Amino acid sequence: KAGVTQTPRYLIKTRGQQVTLSCSPISGHRSVSWYQQTPGQGLQFLFEYFSETQRNKGNFPGRFSGRQFSNSRSEMNVSTLELGDSALYLCASSLGVANNEQFFGPGTRLTVL
Amino acid sequence: AQSVTQPDIHITVSEGASLELRCNYSYGATPYLFWYVQSPGQGLQLLLKYFSGDTLVQGIKGFEAEFKRSQSSFNLRKPSVHWSDAAEYFCAVGAGSSGDKLTFGTGTRLAVRP
Repeated sequence: KAGVTQTPRYLIKTRGQQVTLSCSPISGHRSVSWYQQTPGQGLQFLFEYFSETQRNKGNFPGRFSGRQFSNSRSEMNVSTLELGDSALYLCASSLGVANNEQFFGPGTRLTVL
Repeated sequence: AQSVTQPDIHITVSEGASLELRCNYSYGATPYLFWYVQSPGQGLQLLLKYFSGDTLVQGIKGFEAEFKRSQSSFNLRKPSVHWSDAAEYFCAVGAGSSGDKLTFGTGTRLAVRP
């Protein structure tokens, strides 16, 4: 069974631009969560989507948004990029029921210049 | 609000020595606890998890962890460390039935001395 895939793996953008990251979950998984990892703040939860609905949300500004499609694939969007948005963005998928293990993708490394 | 504390930022052990990585959590209900490992440039891999039942849980790669409710701890252990164990280790607490939100500790970077 294929793992969680994230595209692209690396991105370089400039301040003010917007970016869209994509995540394909493991087949059969209905929940997709997004995390931001930075050296200063560590791993922080962005949001979780389950059956195309946002189920949980972290403490990030509205510039960060996401969505989930009917095939469970998810995208996250960051608008008006800031230097501080440079990070590794990790996606994780699970079956979406309680007590479930999340499987992480390799991440997308975003650099904002 | 849930939180996780990993008091050791960096640990160095000799190959073959035992290892214990500390994790303390704060959570209002029965916690769902996890240990993940991250190698450089990679995503996170689940080592083990605790939801209920036996407080000593076994994971992959020879790791185990013990849940101690009285101490709010979930320390990770390995009896004999291998050079390939060098990585960063994250303890996390989950939201349980409320969804998949994980709250992570700041991580412990493990170096293995030959």
